[in-house]
Amino acid sequence: DVKVTQSSRYLVKRTGEKVFLECVQDMDHENMFWYRQDPGLGLRLIYFSYDVKMKEKGDIPEGYSVSREKKERFSLILESASTNQTSMYLCATTTEAEQFFGPGTRLTVL
Amino acid sequence: QQQVKQSPQSLIVQKGGISIINCAYENTAFDYFPWYQQFPGKGPALLIAIRPDVSEKKEGRFTISFNKSAKQFSLHIMDSQPGDSATYFCAAQGGGYQKVTFGIGTKLQVIP
Repeated sequence: DVKVTQSSRYLVKRTGEKVFLECVQDMDHENMFWYRQDPGLGLRLIYFSYDVKMKEKGDIPEGYSVSREKKERFSLILESASTNQTSMYLCATTTEAEQFFGPGTRLTVL
Repeated sequence: QQQVKQSPQSLIVQKGGISIINCAYENTAFDYFPWYQQFPGKGPALLIAIRPDVSEKKEGRFTISFNKSAKQFSLHIMDSQPGDSATYFCAAQGGGYQKVTFGIGTKLQVIP
């Protein structure tokens, strides 16, 4: 079974803090994705990576950056957290036919 | 711009009834249409998927109906059970990097 793990299930940060969300996959997949999930807005793509050190902006990249130094690890960075970044963050990896999601990190920015 | 429109946002169905969720897409480059199911506290997981060369796909109590000319597709859950209570996302995929565009989700509650 594909396993996607995320470093934290719940995280509380203060406005202006730098926040790191980590995602690790164990299936040697090339493509990895970061989404945020908000009620009434569904899953929105923030960034994705198709190879080590390669990244592409998704639909809502503003306020975020990413890092992929190793194939199995994809990090989402909030350079200066703001209250409107309070959300559920989901990492995923993919085959051609299926996306595999981690359990999510619920981030609260106070 | 919402490329995949999903309705309704919430749905309450009695046990044994039929749950129907509808989606529409705009981009004709989409060539794969999966549905994901998400239980509270979990990430979404693939439920069933269809390609546009067929009009219907059935897996157990779950059926996708696909209308290519109308650019619409729907999920039918027959004999709905309380264990089906979850959020359902329709999605569309096409182009490079296996990117997926999701609908806004439908929260289904099946009541006994």
